[in-house]
Amino acid sequence: NAGVTQTPKFQVLKTGQSMTLQCAQDMNHNSMYWYRQDPGMGLRLIYYSASEGTTDKGEVPNGYNVSRLNKREFSLRLESAAPSQTSVYFCASSEQGGGYGYTFGSGTRLTVV
Amino acid sequence: GQSLEQPSEVTAVEGAIVQINCTYQTSGFYGLSWYQQHDGGAPTFLSYNALDGLEETGRFSSFLSRSDSYGYLLLQELQMKDSASYFCAVRKAAGNKLTFGGGTRVLVKP
Repeated sequence: NAGVTQTPKFQVLKTGQSMTLQCAQDMNHNSMYWYRQDPGMGLRLIYYSASEGTTDKGEVPNGYNVSRLNKREFSLRLESAAPSQTSVYFCASSEQGGGYGYTFGSGTRLTVV
Repeated sequence: GQSLEQPSEVTAVEGAIVQINCTYQTSGFYGLSWYQQHDGGAPTFLSYNALDGLEETGRFSSFLSRSDSYGYLLLQELQMKDSASYFCAVRKAAGNKLTFGGGTRVLVKP
């Protein structure tokens, strides 16, 4: 089925460990995004990529890096995980430009202990 | 700066109508989107309003007033499956980057 695929679905890290969250979409979308969602809260933008070859910071970029590997793939890296990064991470994609709805992946539930 | 305000929770019975309001303050505004998220699931796109007025899609409608910096999502003929969180999100620039509100949890009772 067409959509956005995120891996892994669950992850437990120790403080200071690093990891990369993977995201791939097969809808030929230009734009991709990484959001985090803390319990009972809305989604906050970490980084986004308006098109292949570009990335920009969102609201909460500290502690994260991203790579737009190609048009399909957009990865999120935590270099040194902290308990404050315990969250659910969603990747999304959309057409570039106005008002197109996002298609979200199923999320990665990350716990940092 | 920017902020979006929406009620934290709404409870209604099956068959009823619920209106979820969203007020926003942003330095730029291109449009307002709505998303639905069931517990444990991913958000799904419901609607987008760039111009003033009402957009209807089945049982759900979305309204925007740019002059009042205000919009709402109207859920009609509520069903149990409509129990979910609903998020408004502002598009504030020419790209498609969105800023989300804190969400409104809708609980539908029999």
